[in-house]
Amino acid sequence: DIQMTQSPSSLSASVGDRVTITCRASQSITTYLNWYQQKPGKAPKLLISVASNLQSGVPSRFSGSGSGTDFTLTITSLQPEDFATYYCQQGYSIPYIFGQGTKLEIK
Amino acid sequence: EVLLVESGGGLVQPGGSLRLSCAASGFTVSNNYMTWVRQAPGKGLEWVSLIYNSGSTHYADSVKGRFTISRESSTNTLFLQLNSLRAEDTAVYYCATSKRFLDNWGQGTLVTVSS
Repeated sequence: DIQMTQSPSSLSASVGDRVTITCRASQSITTYLNWYQQKPGKAPKLLISVASNLQSGVPSRFSGSGSGTDFTLTITSLQPEDFATYYCQQGYSIPYIFGQGTKLEIK
Repeated sequence: EVLLVESGGGLVQPGGSLRLSCAASGFTVSNNYMTWVRQAPGKGLEWVSLIYNSGSTHYADSVKGRFTISRESSTNTLFLQLNSLRAEDTAVYYCATSKRFLDNWGQGTLVTVSS
């Protein structure tokens, strides 16, 4: 199975900051990497698919990049509603394993 | 509009069984890939099972041989049969539409395995 490692596991930032979350796959997954946002008590929400494809309705301050084994999710100018937990997921081969999550907290 | 509504969760004893349902509207379940994902309390997301539009199925090693994914065209519903339940199966179970990414999710149903 392909393992996914996210870093950091938690992150404190302020409104207006730029933050980057990384996700590393244990082998190449080309660009089959997805990012989700989850708020407490809610279902996850797909933000970015196939490494960099921003989903409809997702603000442009979110962006994704990477290929092969290393990927990043960047949020420019953090907004109060962005404080949540973020997960990466590989869509290259079954099982489509998730990263362990990054909790983004208000500083 | 795509809508997914899970049901069937509850409290069950170790070794017991449950059948989870995911009622879909706005699209046809049998024409799509569908996935179950679970999340133990305070933990991350765990991919559980996938059914292709062809009917082919896949499972995480942690549930293989105990869980069965299926669907019913007449009611446009996805199911997950949970057998031989263990304490570590305690989680919120979500259904989602999927290809290589999960783009529509239900609200989840909580399964608690405890004596």
